[in-house]
Amino acid sequence: ETGVTQTPRHLVMGMTNKKSLKCEQHLGHNAMYWYKQSAKKPLELMFVYSLEERVENNSVPSRFSPECPNSSHLFLHLHTLQPEDSALYLCASSQDTAGANNQPQHFGDGTRLSIL
Amino acid sequence: KNEVEQSPQNLTAQEGEFITINCSYSVGISALHWLQQHPGGGIVSLFMLSSGKKKHGRLIATINIQEKHSSLHITASHPRDSAVYICAGPCAGGTSYGKLTFGQGTILTVHP
Repeated sequence: ETGVTQTPRHLVMGMTNKKSLKCEQHLGHNAMYWYKQSAKKPLELMFVYSLEERVENNSVPSRFSPECPNSSHLFLHLHTLQPEDSALYLCASSQDTAGANNQPQHFGDGTRLSIL
Repeated sequence: KNEVEQSPQNLTAQEGEFITINCSYSVGISALHWLQQHPGGGIVSLFMLSSGKKKHGRLIATINIQEKHSSLHITASHPRDSAVYICAGPCAGGTSYGKLTFGQGTILTVHP
């Protein structure tokens, strides 16, 4: 139990569907992250939120739309996805974003997304 | 070319063997993270170190900042150690909003 919960664990959707991934952290952290992990590729950072404000958008296509309504919750809204978007999407949190040097990031178990 | 390189990419061992996974990085960092990813996908942070050595149970991590190299050692390996081990360091340049760049991971399989 890492204190970061992601739902759903698995999601299969068509290219025209709209769905959302949810992440919730119970650690009192101020920073939250979305990562994408494709097969045989390193983890890629997608978005960073600090105190509910997006501080990083790592050149992610607009078909991915993040939302952070409060410091405990993070969503990733999906629409008109492509087959190459099939991947494991991981959420993480850390105390804050003041440098990755001295803070561990706590990860959820991920959502395995398959696009038909 | 990834800024963080791991070796080997795949590692198979027999239970009880001493295991070493290496990580080299091309950018100057002051700390490095070692992560463990289980087959289900969840990731656990094992170590975050900026110098010397850290030990937790059968796991030992070392880092040489000057040589830009870190190693993760597992003593008396066990099948439950089978997982993907990932090293990561802060991204070079710009503001560091907790951005990490990740190695491609080392897939470890320990046979009984």
